[in-house]
Amino acid sequence: EDKVVQSPLSLVVHEGDTVTLNCSYEVTNFRSLLWYKQEKKAPTFLFMLTSSGIEKKSGRLSSILDKKELFSILNITATQTGDSAVYLCANTQNAGNMLTFGGGTRLMVKP
Amino acid sequence: DTGVSQDPRHKITKRGQNVTFRCDPISEHNRLYWYRQTLGQGPEFLTYFQNEAQLEKSRLLSDRFSAERPKGSFSTLEIQRTEQGDSAMYLCASSPTATAGKLFFGSGTQLSVL
Repeated sequence: EDKVVQSPLSLVVHEGDTVTLNCSYEVTNFRSLLWYKQEKKAPTFLFMLTSSGIEKKSGRLSSILDKKELFSILNITATQTGDSAVYLCANTQNAGNMLTFGGGTRLMVKP
Repeated sequence: DTGVSQDPRHKITKRGQNVTFRCDPISEHNRLYWYRQTLGQGPEFLTYFQNEAQLEKSRLLSDRFSAERPKGSFSTLEIQRTEQGDSAMYLCASSPTATAGKLFFGSGTQLSVL
């Protein structure tokens, strides 16, 4: 059975800190690894990763995938209070239609 | 608002009652998904549609759960004979055909079964 494990479960930092969130996975037929941000209700898409070693970047957020070691990290630099959210990692199976999510990392950024 | 919309936002029901939730996807998206999320967990896949065809339903939690998308536009998720364990957030998402996992989620329906 496909599995996605995220760590840490929760994290409290101060504004300006840099954080690294971890995601490891086991999947039968890997297609892509995705990161979502869930602030209140609706998860919103951040990144999709399909190839090892290629960093995706969007502003202060970046992510990279290691398909050999089966993990991904999400980095957030110069954190702001608006980054406070649950960050979800997921992978897709071969058909790319069903996401298997990890349990999320709850990030709290204090002023 | 052209995003995914779900109705109602909250539903409180008594054990044993039937409930139905509605999802309106982004209009040009032909794929529609239902997920369930319990407190402290990530979303759990339930079922999905390509237009009006339900292509995967083996992950529906029991035969009390059913979903429809009769005209390939909005969808409904019904839970019959609700149980307390059904209390959760039910999320709907949509996507164009080939996005390898990039989904657009609605804000969910929070179900509480008393």
